[in-house]
Amino acid sequence: AQKITQTQPGMFVQEKEAVTLDCTYDTSDPSYGLFWYKQPSSGEMIFLIYQGSYDQQNATEGRYSLNFQKARKSANLVISASQLGDSAMYFCAMRESNYGQNFVFGPGTRLSVLP
Amino acid sequence: DTGVSQNPRHKITKRGQNVTFRCDPISEHNRLYWYRQTLGQGPEFLTYFQNEAQLEKSRLLSDRFSAERPKGSFSTLEIQRTEQGDSAMYLCASSLDRGGGPTNEQFFGPGTRLTVL
Repeated sequence: AQKITQTQPGMFVQEKEAVTLDCTYDTSDPSYGLFWYKQPSSGEMIFLIYQGSYDQQNATEGRYSLNFQKARKSANLVISASQLGDSAMYFCAMRESNYGQNFVFGPGTRLSVLP
Repeated sequence: DTGVSQNPRHKITKRGQNVTFRCDPISEHNRLYWYRQTLGQGPEFLTYFQNEAQLEKSRLLSDRFSAERPKGSFSTLEIQRTEQGDSAMYLCASSLDRGGGPTNEQFFGPGTRLTVL
């Protein structure tokens, strides 16, 4: 079974508007972390935001926020005020405390910001 | 530049040849990871080191693959007898282990793109 699901292969958003990228996950580990990374065409993975399974508040980092719904096992990324430079692949990833130190990544969503 | 660096950035080789990639992590980071990413997919974990010890290997890491981190600093990933299916982006990441839990973000290098002809 897929541990991380990103159901939107591609998304379009108008510049300056907000966009939500979906991520659902599957784990039986009570302690886990959820991460979002951005990968522009240059190939480098850029860390955006982190949410811990025990965190009570949704994480925010500048224009990025994470809509964490633990019971639904979803961790959607919200980008506010989209910019042309936000066009990239976005990956949701999870690390489980009891299953080693590696990340499991989803298949990604390609976001295109339109002028 | 204090980020993760990888060399070479691109490598083209013929099937059956051996290739070696290098990763230099962020200097104070004690953990180093290797991932493979094929076109249109997310990165897949290959292996990771805590200092110089290789602590975990994915079943994706066949016996043609070997990774080392001899002094707990830079790491090398060698692929012997390359096959066309090895064509991918090979990503290195590093993190600072603060003593447990899933919180430590990984910082990625720019990757080495391997093409096997």
